[in-house]
Amino acid sequence: DTGVSQDPRHKITKRGQNVTFRCDPISEHNRLYWYRQTLGQGPEFLTYFQNEAQLEKSRLLSDRFSAERPKGSFSTLEIQRTEQGDSAMYLCASSLLMASGSYEQYFGPGTRLTVT
Amino acid sequence: GENVEQHPSTLSVQEGDSAVIKCTYSDSASNYFPWYKQELGKRPQLIIDIRSNVGEKKDQRIAVTLNKTAKHFSLHITETQPEDSAVYFCAAKGGGADGLTFGKGTHLIIQP
Repeated sequence: DTGVSQDPRHKITKRGQNVTFRCDPISEHNRLYWYRQTLGQGPEFLTYFQNEAQLEKSRLLSDRFSAERPKGSFSTLEIQRTEQGDSAMYLCASSLLMASGSYEQYFGPGTRLTVT
Repeated sequence: GENVEQHPSTLSVQEGDSAVIKCTYSDSASNYFPWYKQELGKRPQLIIDIRSNVGEKKDQRIAVTLNKTAKHFSLHITETQPEDSAVYFCAAKGGGADGLTFGKGTHLIIQP
């Protein structure tokens, strides 16, 4: 499968615990995005990377959230001291930045987080 | 920041009829407008997109139109089929940002 992959697909954690998710983008894509989707809503942008540089962060990304893309390939999203409001589907997407710009974003299957 | 409104929230059409979903955006600098289809429990799938330098784009039974003056864009699906049943999201990419802003989605139901 050459699409975007995410791991784990499901995570159940107790309130206050830390969790980490992984995203592997399409291999030639240099931009990687994190979104959060709650039931009945569209995805909400969290942050994105160009290669290993984090270029944009949404106001939704509180200081309990941190994302990395250390070698410009896979990325991790960590949530510290999880709260019940963090329960959501965390989606990763990737795109290719070309001379004309960066456009098509392709999504992974997501990691569904449930905080109990 | 960008704000995207999407209507209707639910759309039920007879198989074979056409469906139209409409979105408006607030940032006049937005330059890219994709549409995603999401089936229950699946990832959002890019089905068609349009850039701000064109007014219409078509791909088989699916078309998207863009009116930059009105800050309005629409998805048109003709000859609807049962497999078109899904939630459809519109999105916009602002001129100064790369993250997409999504609408709240339209649940399209194709009645046999």
